[in-house]
Amino acid sequence: QKEVEQNSGPLSVPEGAIASLNCTYSDRGSQSFFWYRQYSGKSPELIMSIYSNGDKEDGRFTAQLNKASQYVSLLIRDSQPSDSATYLCAVNIGDTGFQKLVFGTGTRLLVSP
Amino acid sequence: NAGVMQNPRHLVRRRGQEARLRCSPVKGHSHVYWYRQLPEEGLKFMVYLQKENIIDESGMPKERFSAEFPKEGPSILRIQQVVRGDSAAYFCASSPDRQVEKLFFGSGTQLSVL
Repeated sequence: QKEVEQNSGPLSVPEGAIASLNCTYSDRGSQSFFWYRQYSGKSPELIMSIYSNGDKEDGRFTAQLNKASQYVSLLIRDSQPSDSATYLCAVNIGDTGFQKLVFGTGTRLLVSP
Repeated sequence: NAGVMQNPRHLVRRRGQEARLRCSPVKGHSHVYWYRQLPEEGLKFMVYLQKENIIDESGMPKERFSAEFPKEGPSILRIQQVVRGDSAAYFCASSPDRQVEKLFFGSGTQLSVL
């Protein structure tokens, strides 16, 4: 079983719709979770982090975490064509000794005008 | 206030040559991570270094690959005797401490092996 799993997509949504991206992880001890956006040929950029069960909202983005189900999701409201990118879920594997981010393979999102 | 600087942006090597990828972290950052991204795949952790020390190299192939982060100068990822399967984007990220929440990524080096 992969440590972090995502559906590779592409996920196609019309402009203005809600895009829902999902991620599951295997390490029950993980405490912090991240969503990165990566445009083609560019470096990943952090868009959301979440540490506690429940929802965390930042503008059009909402991250959801359910540690019991080992599930993280990202909702993008009012999707725009500029949101078209690959979204990478990352999980912090480690403790206070040293940490590293383990990434999923990413979900490609296409927002059509 | 420069971010993480990686060079070269693009590197072309023939099979059997050596590739040297450089990463200058954000000023004041002493923790560096290297990741590899194959086409249509996510980022794969390779190695985590602090100044002059390798902390975790569990993701780095045992042969042909090495990394260093000297007291002075950039971090170097070195690939000896490159093969076509080494073609990938290599990303470096830095942080000021052990907290990955503060990770900043560089623009990456695209390695192409002919």
